[in-house]
Amino acid sequence: EDQVTQSPEALRLQEGESSSLNCSYTVSGLRGLFWYRQDPGKGPEFLFTLYSAGEEKEKERLKATLTKKESFLHITAPKPEDSATYLCAVRVSKAAGNKLTFGGGTRVLVKP
Amino acid sequence: EAGVAQSPRYKIIEKRQSVAFWCNPISGHATLYWYQQILGQGPKLLIQFQNNGVVDDSQLPKDRFSAERLKGVDSTLKIQPAKLEDSAVYLCASSSGQGNQPQHFGDGTRLSIL
Repeated sequence: EDQVTQSPEALRLQEGESSSLNCSYTVSGLRGLFWYRQDPGKGPEFLFTLYSAGEEKEKERLKATLTKKESFLHITAPKPEDSATYLCAVRVSKAAGNKLTFGGGTRVLVKP
Repeated sequence: EAGVAQSPRYKIIEKRQSVAFWCNPISGHATLYWYQQILGQGPKLLIQFQNNGVVDDSQLPKDRFSAERLKGVDSTLKIQPAKLEDSAVYLCASSSGQGNQPQHFGDGTRLSIL
């Protein structure tokens, strides 16, 4: 069974304190790994798609990387507005259509 | 570009009652998804439509949940009768269905069962 595990569950950072979130996966036939940001009371907002080991994507203070077993979301010099829940999801080759399997998310709080 | 629209935003019902949610996807998106997100967890796919046909409903509790997408645009998700464990946020998402295009989500309907 495909599994996606995110750690830590929660992360408290001081403004400017860089850190990394982990998304480990056990799937067969990865077709894509997706990162989303979710604010309270809102739906997930798409950030990145990664397709193969060694790939990296960047957006402002966020950088996502991918290996054969896990992905990291690095937050560099975070600001309070980066506070949110970050979700990762995988799409696998055997899944019907474009089904995504999500992890449980990491809740990030950045204090000024 | 207008995003995915969902209504209502909030709904409170008693157990054994019925409830329906509505979703209007991004214009031109052929694929529509309904997810259930329980507090503190990631979204879980309930059903996926490609145009007006069902692609995957393997995790839909079919004894109480039903969904339709008439004319391949708007969709409704219904629960009848509701149970306490159905308390969750119900998210609708859409995508173009081409290759690995990302899914875009609405803000969901928060359902509370008393």
